[in-house]
Amino acid sequence: DGGITQSPKYLFRKEGQNVTLSCEQNLNHDAMYWYRQDPGQGLRLIYYSQIVNDFQKGDIAEGYSVSREKKESFPLTVTSAQKNPTAFYLCASSDQLAGGIETQYFGPGTRLLVL
Amino acid sequence: AQTVTQSQPEMSVQEAETVTLSCTYDTSESDYYLFWYKQPPSRQMILVIRQEAYKQQNATENRFSVNFQKAAKSFSLKISDSQLGDAAMYFCAYRSFHSGGGADGLTFGKGTHLIIQP
Repeated sequence: DGGITQSPKYLFRKEGQNVTLSCEQNLNHDAMYWYRQDPGQGLRLIYYSQIVNDFQKGDIAEGYSVSREKKESFPLTVTSAQKNPTAFYLCASSDQLAGGIETQYFGPGTRLLVL
Repeated sequence: AQTVTQSQPEMSVQEAETVTLSCTYDTSESDYYLFWYKQPPSRQMILVIRQEAYKQQNATENRFSVNFQKAAKSFSLKISDSQLGDAAMYFCAYRSFHSGGGADGLTFGKGTHLIIQP
């Protein structure tokens, strides 16, 4: 089945610890995205990547880092510099088509909690 | 920067009735895309419908349709014959247009919680 997988479903972070959230897609999409969702809020863009070995900061990139070494993978690291990491994290991917007509499809999400 | 506003934190409708969810946005761009996503309790984001700003015709997908008013910067979602499975958070989202392709993030509203009364 084609789709986007995220792991783990739940993740616990201790103070001062870096943690990495996994996102994998087998849709052969070029672009991938990370969003953060807080209670009562919409999604906010953390990072996005148009192609392998390239990525751009979104609106709330501070305290996060990403890599894009493979087309199908876009892991997100929540560093100790992120002071309020408790949130629901969603990964998405999309095709890039001429004319910008593309739709983002989302993974099931990872819930990150701070101990 | 673009902003998206959903002024109804919560809406309730009787099963089989019709409900309209509101969305307004602010942008200086003339070409863009608008989306409605549904997030059920599973928290999976599901695309409901999308609209290209250069198209005057309102998009429809089965029981879901939009009322796109470009001059008013309004993009409401109408759900006809509401079903229990429609209960979810609904998010309106904006995306800029890129003539040469390329990725860009979505700007989301804060969402409307839709309750379906049996």
